[in-house]
Amino acid sequence: AQRVTQPEKLLSVFKGAPVELKCNYSYSGSPELFWYVQYSRQRLQLLLRHISRESIKGFTADLNKGETSFHLKKPFAQEEDSAMYYCALKEGTGANSKLTFGKGITLSVRP
Amino acid sequence: EADIYQTPRYLVIGTGKKITLECSQTMGHDKMYWYQQDPGMELHLIHYSYGVNSTEKGDLSSESTVSRIRTEHFPLTLESARPSHTSQYLCARNRDRLIQNSPLHFGNGTRLTVT
Repeated sequence: AQRVTQPEKLLSVFKGAPVELKCNYSYSGSPELFWYVQYSRQRLQLLLRHISRESIKGFTADLNKGETSFHLKKPFAQEEDSAMYYCALKEGTGANSKLTFGKGITLSVRP
Repeated sequence: EADIYQTPRYLVIGTGKKITLECSQTMGHDKMYWYQQDPGMELHLIHYSYGVNSTEKGDLSSESTVSRIRTEHFPLTLESARPSHTSQYLCARNRDRLIQNSPLHFGNGTRLTVT
């Protein structure tokens, strides 16, 4: 059963438009969720994690346990935001934990 | 951070060849991972290791094998490459050595093409 769902494969917006990348999860324990980003020709890297409650590059994500969602949002997209975005769920605890990724979504921001 | 290294960066090889993808890290991390990023860009955990002489299979069944003889190295081997193995292979470690469930830090990946 898919534990992390990213329902869309591609989102294309114009510069300055709002962005919301959807992520839903399925997990019986206390979830810990992340967003990772992969820019063109760069390594996959952490963007933000829900426990930090921080805004990175203008992006925010709020964990909604009622809706089991962790959508990534940015009010005004920039061209440099174009990248592949993955939602990820940490399963297990301590040394036994591992990260499960969603299928990813390509964000394309047009000028 | 450039302290997790994967070689080669690109590899094109014929069917039936044996290949080893190298992954090394210099920070003494115990836990390391291999992910496969398929052409559709999905990421799947194929192997991980808790430390020396410890290896486990991940969520996605893979014909590859791994070894962990030294903390620094976590190579992945395909005994007989096939076109279905064409993919990008990403090696990772936890960002913080002493916090085993800290976020992952990835290498640049090896893009493998089997013809």
